[in-house]
Amino acid sequence: NAGVTQTPKFRVLKTGQSMTLLCAQDMNHEYMYWYRQDPGMGLRLIHYSVGEGTTAKGEVPDGYNVSRLKKQNFLLGLESAAPSQTSVYFCASSYSPVGAAALGTGELFFGEGSRLTVL
Amino acid sequence: AQSVAQPEDQVNVAEGNPLTVKCTYSVSGNPYLFWYVQYPNRGLQFLLKYITGDNLVKGSYGFEAEFNKSQTSFHLKKPSALVSDSALYFCAVRVSGTYKYIFGTGTRLKVLA
Repeated sequence: NAGVTQTPKFRVLKTGQSMTLLCAQDMNHEYMYWYRQDPGMGLRLIHYSVGEGTTAKGEVPDGYNVSRLKKQNFLLGLESAAPSQTSVYFCASSYSPVGAAALGTGELFFGEGSRLTVL
Repeated sequence: AQSVAQPEDQVNVAEGNPLTVKCTYSVSGNPYLFWYVQYPNRGLQFLLKYITGDNLVKGSYGFEAEFNKSQTSFHLKKPSALVSDSALYFCAVRVSGTYKYIFGTGTRLKVLA
């Protein structure tokens, strides 16, 4: 069972280049998330999606775009990379346990991370 | 604003001793609280969560956490630490009325042999 898979795992970019990170999950989860992890700052939410075709901004969305054309995939794009976007990026997915009182209370399942360096 | 705080950057404990990793939160509405663990160069793994019910929550690998509403805390505990418990631990809260989860800055746990 693959769970959440991120590609690529490592990437080095020059300032101004563009790239896309791909996240794929095989658990049929409704909700998907992109976080970035920086030393001393924990995980910060970039964008998230509550279903196919929907996306929403998180805490630090500037400089990033996302798309969720298929339920199992969530793409994170950098149109013009900047050194401040050097980070480790994590994708996660989640679900709603059965029952109206438990909406949105499923735990997050994380990928292994993608380390991006922008020179 | 809703938030999570982990006041200790690092916690050191001797193997076999009990451990506590602290977490406090600030949310409107009912708090949905989570603990995750991260080993070096890996993604985060879920340990346990509090949604409702019993204030003492048991999770994976012998960990447990105590929800204290009056102190707005959700401390992670384990009765007897193992060297293999050494890792980075994150507390998280689901933002009320949304599907967003906010994380603390993390606490590095070092268990010394």
